[in-house]
Amino acid sequence: SAVISQKPSRDICQRGTSLTIQCQVDSQVTMMFWYRQQPGQSLTLIATANQGSEATYESGFVIDKFPISRPNLTFSTLTVSNMSPEDSSIYLCSVEAGGTGRFRTEAFFGQGTRLTVV
Amino acid sequence: ELKVEQNPLFLSMQEGKNYTIYCNYSTTSDRLYWYRQDPGKSLESLFVLLSNGAVKQEGRLMASLDTKARLSTLHITAAVHDLSATYFCAVDISADGLTFGKGTHLIIQP
Repeated sequence: SAVISQKPSRDICQRGTSLTIQCQVDSQVTMMFWYRQQPGQSLTLIATANQGSEATYESGFVIDKFPISRPNLTFSTLTVSNMSPEDSSIYLCSVEAGGTGRFRTEAFFGQGTRLTVV
Repeated sequence: ELKVEQNPLFLSMQEGKNYTIYCNYSTTSDRLYWYRQDPGKSLESLFVLLSNGAVKQEGRLMASLDTKARLSTLHITAAVHDLSATYFCAVDISADGLTFGKGTHLIIQP
C-alpha cells in the first residue's frame, strides 16, 4: 500500500494568485498523478508526473496553468496559476502501487486539496 | 479514447432493498476499481478487480468484472443508510492514470 500526505487540505485564494499543492508519498514511486474534481463532478486526470522528466498533460490542461514539479521519487507539487473562480475544485494526488511496471494493482489517493477562488 | 459510463447517476432507495450499479467501458482493460466518496472527503478504495470473472465482496457490497462485455457491476444487498455516498468506477489501461465514470450518487432512506 501507499500513504499519501497532501497539503494544504483546503485554501481560499484571491483570483489572479497562484497556489502550490504538495504531495508526499511514504514509498518511492515512478509516477504520480494529479486529478481535478470540480464541484459535483467526477475526477479528471490533469497530468502524470515522472521523476526526472517533464510532466505529461492530458488534453485541456497546459503546463503554464498547472506547472508540476517532481524532484524525487516520493514528492511532487502542482501549482494552480493565475487562478480564477473556475479553478475552484478539489485537487487530488494519486499513485499506483502493487505489482510491477504496467501491472500496477491499486491506485491510492491523497486526502485532496479543496480550493476556493474568490 | 477510453470512455467509462456509469449508471444510474442518481439512485434513491429504501433500506433493506437490493440494487446494482453498472459500469461500462469502451476499451479493453483488465483493471477496474470501485471507490466510495463521502461529501467533502477523498476517495475510499472499495474493490480492485484485476481479471475476467473477478468477484469480490465486502459486507453488503459485491463487485464483479466481465472483461469481454467490458462491464463491471457493484451490487448492494439489503441496503443500510450508512452506504449513502457517491460511488465511482474507474478503469486503468496501462498504469498511466485512471479514467473515471461520472459517479453514482446513492441515497438510502430509512
